[in-house]
This record gives sequence, C-alpha cells and structure tokens, in this order.
Amino acid sequence: DTEVTQTPKHLVMGMTNKKSLKCEQHMGHRAMYWYKQKAKKPPELMFVYSYEKLSINESVPSRFSPECPNSSLLNLHLHALQPEDSALYLCASSQPQGSGGYTFGSGTRLTVV
Amino acid sequence: SQQGEEDPQALSIQEGENATMNCSYKTSINNLQWYRQNSGRGLVHLILIRSNEREKHSGRLRVTLDTSKKSSSLLITASRAADTASYFCAYSAGDTGRRALTFGSGTRLQVQP
Repeated sequence: DTEVTQTPKHLVMGMTNKKSLKCEQHMGHRAMYWYKQKAKKPPELMFVYSYEKLSINESVPSRFSPECPNSSLLNLHLHALQPEDSALYLCASSQPQGSGGYTFGSGTRLTVV
Repeated sequence: SQQGEEDPQALSIQEGENATMNCSYKTSINNLQWYRQNSGRGLVHLILIRSNEREKHSGRLRVTLDTSKKSSSLLITASRAADTASYFCAYSAGDTGRRALTFGSGTRLQVQP
C-alpha cells in the first residue's frame, strides 16, 4: 500500500460545530504531517508528528487540535472554526529525518459557514 | 518568511515544447524536492535532489541545484497536455527531528494540445 487516505474528501461545517479530519497510511512511515493550502497558494505546514509524538507546531490556533493515536493514523480535530479557515487540508507521511519524499493524501476540502 | 520563490508564476506552452521552472530559497537545505499538483488536490512527489548533488534526471524531468546561489530549476522536456498542473519546489532544512518541507510559491503550467 503506497497511499495516504484522507477522509472526508469534502466537509462543510458551521462555526459552532466540532468535526475531525482523518488520515491513514500503511507504508510504515513514522513521520506524519498536516498542511493547510489556500487557493492558488502553496501548502503551509501546521503540525509534524515524529514517532507518534508532536515535534512541530507552527503556531497554529488552538481551534485546531492534532492527534496521532498510532503510527498509521493522524487526526485533526476542529472546533469553533472561522470562515477564513476554509481551505484544503493535506495530510502527508514520510520516513523521519527528512531524507526522502513525502506521500500526500488527496486532501479534505473544508468550508466553514 | 522562509518560503521559497518560484518563477514564472504561470507558464503556457505548446505540446512538445520544453518547460523550465525556477526556484529560489533563503536558507541552507538538506535536500530539495519537486511536486506536482493537479486541480488543487494532493501533491505528487516527482524528484529529490540532495544538497551535495548538482543535477538529477528522471524520465523527462531534469533538476539542477546550485547551493551557492540557493536556486534550483526543473526542466520538463517534450511536454504533454497531461503535464498541465501546478509545480512546487519544496526544501527540507533544519536539525534532525525538526525537519519538514517548506514549499515555494508554485508555477502553474498549461500545456496546449
């Protein structure tokens, strides 16, 4: 299996909702990432997990809460989001140490209304 | 911001022509990678070049890296309509355990049939 699977593909949520984005990989990668991408912009790093531990948090607001339950799964819990949080959320995985390429999921298109 | 810059921002060519995209960055890097993104979905890893390499080939792709100028270029030869996509450079920098990819601003390539 050489894929990263993200669910759901599309999500519309109100500003008072709580929702979660899910990401799964079975490539044995021990580093997993969340990126946020606005239209016509490059992906921006949000969080990095290495060996299931949070290693980088790029000053992301607390309304975004990551979780790594095991080496194959990565979640992003969403609460009290703002319309400006609408974006494509991309999950990726790689071997740690940054020595190889990343495998990206197809993303979750999030709309906050 | 440590985000890389790419030029051109957009490029339109005819099928069969070559496409060249350039990337500049501001920090010392471990490696530099190129990714393709179709229609705002997931990114696909194309090629990785390490900081001690100067040129690398993969099929119709040729990547160069000049660490003294902090720049890289991606050449796609004999382009096809299916090459239409956004292309991003991304570099890995920092200490082991705190490395993650930072993306350039991207080049939108349109290949006309």
